[in-house]
Amino acid sequence: AQSVTQLDSQVPVFEEAPVELRCNYSSSVSVYLFWYVQYPNQGLQLLLKYLSGSTLVESINGFEAEFNKSQTSFHLRKPSVHISDTAEYFCALHAGGTSYGKLTFGQGTILTVHP
Amino acid sequence: DGGITQSPKYLFRKEGQNVTLSCEQNLNHDAMYWYRQDPGQGLRLIYYSQIVNDFQKGDIAEGYSVSREKKESFPLTVTSAQKNPTAFYLCASSISPEETQYFGPGTRLLVL
Repeated sequence: AQSVTQLDSQVPVFEEAPVELRCNYSSSVSVYLFWYVQYPNQGLQLLLKYLSGSTLVESINGFEAEFNKSQTSFHLRKPSVHISDTAEYFCALHAGGTSYGKLTFGQGTILTVHP
Repeated sequence: DGGITQSPKYLFRKEGQNVTLSCEQNLNHDAMYWYRQDPGQGLRLIYYSQIVNDFQKGDIAEGYSVSREKKESFPLTVTSAQKNPTAFYLCASSISPEETQYFGPGTRLLVL
């Protein structure tokens, strides 16, 4: 069985400060990892994904995440946040070799950026 | 524009009533999914469909039913057997089960 744990339910931060949202996973097989962002009362938007290759993946709006197999982590980072980054962020896992595309989600981290 | 649409945005259900949530996609994706979102619990898979006329139960299928008669459409019915239906319901699709999932805007279901 697979699981995803987001270590912080809420992260408050001031504008232009750096932020890290932590995600750890458990799986006995190879994994694909995703970060999704959700704004209030909206669906999820894909932020970035790790499928294979370089362990550092980046999004178009300045977020990055690093796949660390030895620590089973996929933390999301941004060096300088904006008010518009306020949202809930979900880490998700897709276990390789499964017969269907089930995503296992973490509980979510609410990022609040203060002026 | 290609995308996933869900309707209605808000839905109210009376006791003992079945309600149906719509999900339509024009992305030509084979696979479609229904998730339920509750505060602090992330998303949980209700049903999924890899191809037309085929669907499988996810982790929390009890009290729900689906159909997949057309590639573009994957409606979800919340039956009276679902005793705690209040939640945010999200539909997703992907080119194939192994590919990235893209989500619709969601439907919020409330019980009167």
